[in-house]
Amino acid sequence: NAGVTQTPKFQVLKTGQSMTLQCAQDMNHEYMSWYRQDPGMGLRLIHYSVGAGITDQGEVPNGYNVSRSTTEDFPLRLLSAAPSQTSVYFCASSYRQGVNQPQHFGDGTRLSIL
Amino acid sequence: AQKITQTQPGMFVQEKEAVTLDCTYDTSDQSYGLFWYKQPSSGEMIFLIYQGSYDEQNATEGRYSLNFQKARKSANLVISASQLGDSAMYFCAMILQWSGGYNKLIFGAGTRLAVHP
Repeated sequence: NAGVTQTPKFQVLKTGQSMTLQCAQDMNHEYMSWYRQDPGMGLRLIHYSVGAGITDQGEVPNGYNVSRSTTEDFPLRLLSAAPSQTSVYFCASSYRQGVNQPQHFGDGTRLSIL
Repeated sequence: AQKITQTQPGMFVQEKEAVTLDCTYDTSDQSYGLFWYKQPSSGEMIFLIYQGSYDEQNATEGRYSLNFQKARKSANLVISASQLGDSAMYFCAMILQWSGGYNKLIFGAGTRLAVHP
């Protein structure tokens, strides 16, 4: 019953550092996405993928890169961390893209940039 | 404007009683999905229930049911027989097909539910 697994759960970075947030799902879902959750702003879509080898930008993609080499994995890379990227990051997946597809979330990564 | 409104910032209920969490939505799209998620204090986001815009019957999942009134644009969550473990933040959400090609997931501000023994 792993579902969507995110690592790490907590991370503190210094401004300018880079890091990768890992996301893996074992449900054979085609659609995967990354969100950030900030107080008063709800969830905002960073990047998404409709299948292995296919990625695209969401609402707030600047400062982040993604890749999807396998169906299971969808890592999010922070290129040069900035304090504005302090947030809670959620990875989500669904069987396929569509308005009738519930998105299953990981437990989140709490990221602080000093 | 595409929007989800949850007017109850906090609710409390006695254990074993039923509780209704309100949600209204605004969209001009004909095709959309409505979802409820539970976020416990530990932070994870747990999918509870889904209702499609074309579904005529209200969705049910165990103790959860969704009271869908399309004309009023409301999608209230009903939790029957509340348990202490139901204490959490509850988010109503809507998925739309966005012009950018992706599915836009719009969340409400949430309702914090406290279940008292």
